[in-house]
Parts: sequence; C-alpha cells; structure tokens
Amino acid sequence: GQQLNQSPQSMFIQEGEDVSMNCTSSSIFNTWLWYKQDPGEGPVLLIALYKAGELTSNGRLTAQFGITRKDSFLNISASIPSDVGIYFCAGSWGAQKLVFGQGTRLTINP
Amino acid sequence: DAGVIQSPRHEVTEMGQEVTLRCKPISGHNSLFWYRQTMMRGLELLIYFNNNVPIDDSGMPEDRFSAKMPNASFSTLKIQPSEPRDSAVYFCASSPWTPWNEQFFGPGTRLTVL
Repeated sequence: GQQLNQSPQSMFIQEGEDVSMNCTSSSIFNTWLWYKQDPGEGPVLLIALYKAGELTSNGRLTAQFGITRKDSFLNISASIPSDVGIYFCAGSWGAQKLVFGQGTRLTINP
Repeated sequence: DAGVIQSPRHEVTEMGQEVTLRCKPISGHNSLFWYRQTMMRGLELLIYFNNNVPIDDSGMPEDRFSAKMPNASFSTLKIQPSEPRDSAVYFCASSPWTPWNEQFFGPGTRLTVL
C-alpha cells in the first residue's frame, strides 16, 4: 500500500530560525495536506495542495506540491514558540482515504 | 461555526466493558471519518461514511469494533468488549462534499482500558 516517509522525525531549533520538513511517497498523489497537532488536541489543517508544482502560503508557512507528485515540503519562517507541536503530512490519490506521515515533532528553544 | 465535537474527551474503563465514543460532524459536511492514533502506529483510518453510509471499514481492527451514523449530525464508535490494546486517542473528522480530502478533526477521545 501507499506509504509516506516524513522527515525529520524531530527538530530542535532556536526561536527565530526557519524550519523545513518534507514528505515523500512511494506512489503518486494528487492531494497533499499539512496538519499541525498540539498536545491533547486534534490535527488542524494548515495548507492544502492540489496541483503538482503548486506553492501555497499561510502566514509564515509555505508548502509546495513536488513536481514529481511524490513529495511535498513545508517551510516555517521565523519560528515562534507557538509553532511547537507535531506536523503531519497527508496525501491521497483520488479517493478520500488519506495516508498520513509519522509526523515531525518541532521543539523551539526560546 | 462549531467544529467537530467529540465526547467524552477522556474515558477510563476496565477490560471487558463496552465503550461508546460519540461524534458530531461540522454541519453541512457529507463525509465522516474515525481514526485511531497511537505512538506505535500513528494515525490509522478505521472507517468512513459518505452521506451516512459506511463506505470503507477495512481499517476496523476486528469485530469488537462497530460504527454507526444514524443521521447526518451524529456518529458513534463502539468497542465491545474493550481490551487494554484498544487504549489510544480516537479522532473523528469530517469533510465537505468538495474538496473531499480537506478533513477537519475533532479534539479526540483519549481511551484508557485497564
């Protein structure tokens, strides 16, 4: 079945630094989604991507749908303490069934 | 607008007991999903409904798990009998007809089976 490899698994950065994480798939997707999960809460949708090559921003967050359709990237600029959490990528092909990555845990040192 | 509502937020029960988790999707959303999250396996899709009809239940672990959606505003996930390995956080999510894949998650129910 489809698998997602999300990296890195964890990141420890200083406040103000930029963050980059990515997701690769074993097969082609036509949808990529990025979610953030805070402790004790459900994942919150950050960005949705529907076209290869698409670059979409949401405030300090920017995500890209890889041209090969097998990868996606999320960048966070000028990180702040509230960016702490677990970031998940998710992808699908056609049907509603999303496949989720294992998550990137972001820790920020003030 | 209210998001996806789940209850209870926390449930502690003893092995063998019946557990019922409840979900109210976002009004107007046509699809509803039940997920389970554990450290070992991450987020797993258990079952999803379109227009109250179960479409894919291939993720349901075994016959002890069942889900219903009697109307567009309510769904339940039942575990009977519960076992310690069922301990996890269970999420409900809903999505509008279009785009199908933008799923909005509830806050989850943390289930502990002793």
